Formats: sequence, structure tokens, C-alpha cells
Amino acid sequence: DGGITQSPKYLFRKEGQNVTLSCEQNLNHDAMYWYRQDPGQGLRLIYYSQIVNDFQKGDIAEGYSVSREKKESFPLTVTSAQKNPTAFYLCASSRSGRKYEQYFGPGTRLTVT
Amino acid sequence: DQQVKQNSPSLSVQEGRISILNCDYTNSMFDYFLWYKKYPAEGPTFLISISSIKDKNEDGRFTVFLNKSAKHLSLHIVPSQPGDSAVYFCAASARGSQGNLIFGKGTKLSVKP
Repeated sequence: DGGITQSPKYLFRKEGQNVTLSCEQNLNHDAMYWYRQDPGQGLRLIYYSQIVNDFQKGDIAEGYSVSREKKESFPLTVTSAQKNPTAFYLCASSRSGRKYEQYFGPGTRLTVT
Repeated sequence: DQQVKQNSPSLSVQEGRISILNCDYTNSMFDYFLWYKKYPAEGPTFLISISSIKDKNEDGRFTVFLNKSAKHLSLHIVPSQPGDSAVYFCAASARGSQGNLIFGKGTKLSVKP
């Protein structure tokens, strides 16, 4: 089955540690995105990538980093510089030409204490 | 400054009746609008979209209406079913934005049997 996988579903880290969230898709989509959702809030864009080896900052990129070495993979690193890292993180992908219709993974809930 | 607003955090409807979810936007550069449905602890699922050149788009029980002069769109679900109970997010994208979606905060729909 084609889809987007994010692992793990729940992640716990101590403050001051970097943590990398995985996102893999087998939909052959060119574009991939990372969003963050906080309670009672909409989704906010962190980073996005339209093609391999290229990515752009979204609205809230500070304290995050990404890489896009393969079409299928778009990992997100939450660094210790991110002031409020505890959140629900969602990865999405879309086809060229239909970039607005994004397909989302199941999400990773990160808790930093 | 919220560019996409969903002013009703929740809505309760009886099974079989119509559900109307509303969304307002402020950015006149938005040219594509989408509705996503989200269950708890899962990623959003794309539901229906509309381009700014149209004022209505229908897909089965779901219809989206766009009123550009009022900068308002709405999602109608007829008839509502208990399985429709979820959080609905309105999203918008501006011309040339490379797929950067701006989400509202969501409306939680409860359909009572």
C-alpha cells in the first residue's frame, strides 16, 4: 500500500537533546512538508522540499533542520535551540502539479521534559 | 495575525441533518482552498478543494462554497453521519506559494446518532 510513514508515533526526550523524526513516502511524490500542531491550533509549516537536495524554510523554521537526500525521505531534526519542542509533528507529501493536495502521515507526538 | 479563521471551535449536529462549517480568510492572494478532516492522533485527510475561479465544488455528500467578495468559504455535509465526527481544518494557498498551506485552527464536528 502506498502511503507516508512516520516513526515513532510517540517520542520522549530530555531537554537539550537533538532528536530526529523520520518521514518516508512511497507515493513517488516530489514534494514533502513538515508541519507542527499545538493543542487548539492549526498546522504550521516548518520546512518544505519540492525536489531532492533542495528545501525551504516555512513559517516556523527556527530551531529545526531538515535534509532531502532521497526522494522518499525527509527527516526533521528538532534541535536544542527550539524553545518549545513538545508538539505533534506531521509530515506530508504532494505530487507535482497538485502541490496543494497534500497527503499526511500519522504524525509523531514529541514530548520534551 | 491569522490569515485563515475558523471562528467556531465546535459544532454539534443530529445524524441525517446538514453540517455547515465556515471559514474566513483575509489574504486576497489566496487562490486555492482545501478542507481536511482529522481524527485524534492521526494525520489530516484531504477532503475537498476549490479553486478561486469557481464558487462551488461538490463531491458526494460534501460541497464547498466560495464567496470571494466576502472572503468566506463553507463546507456542507449532507446528510451528516456519526463517522463524520472529527476536526475539520480549512486551508488556503496563495498564488506562487509552492504549496505552502495556511491552516485555520479547526472546527470539531460531533454528529449525534
